[in-house]
Amino acid sequence: QQQVRQSPQSLTVWEGETAILNCSYEDSTFNYFPWYQQFPGEGPALLISIRSVSDKKEDGRFTIFFNKREKKLSLHITDSQPGDSATYFCAASGGSGGNYKPTFGKGTSLVVHP
Amino acid sequence: GGIITQTPKFLIGQEGQKLTLKCQQNFNHDTMYWYRQDSGKGLRLIYYSITENDLQKGDLSEGYDASREKKSSFSLTVTSAQKNEMAVFLCASSRQISNERLFFGHGTKLSVL
Repeated sequence: QQQVRQSPQSLTVWEGETAILNCSYEDSTFNYFPWYQQFPGEGPALLISIRSVSDKKEDGRFTIFFNKREKKLSLHITDSQPGDSATYFCAASGGSGGNYKPTFGKGTSLVVHP
Repeated sequence: GGIITQTPKFLIGQEGQKLTLKCQQNFNHDTMYWYRQDSGKGLRLIYYSITENDLQKGDLSEGYDASREKKSSFSLTVTSAQKNEMAVFLCASSRQISNERLFFGHGTKLSVL
């Protein structure tokens, strides 16, 4: 059973466009949702995160929109740059019944063309 | 700031061989993790440890052993390498098990001949 799902699997945008990465989850007790960015040959690194008490979190060009009722969230990358080309993982934690450990989605591979 | 160091960076083994991967962190974090990353499958949790000498199985623990003898180190053993296996093993740490960001190492890339 996949607890955290991401879509699309891969996404290509042009420089300057807005990239939208989607994530959904099943356990309604999850309450912490970090997004990690991974470049080839490196480990993932925290990009931005949100807690379930908020519906939006912004950090520069990166914004998370969170819909608790629908158990969905999305990462918007505005004015996309070639340097944003990476794999993005949505994760969730804080649930009950053993789901307190972080659970990751399968990732979205983003390519930004100049 | 702190760092997570994984050794070795690359590991080539033979089928059936026992292989050990090591991880050190200087964040003074309580919780450490081992994830396996395969192309298209995301990050799958193998083992995690909430504190020194604690071990918890993840979703993919079969075929692996782990050891947390010190707070700063967490090792993973592939008990019998599978032929043509290729994956990246990522070590991570966090202050506590839940609701905290993870810090990752750069990974150990395993190839089995």
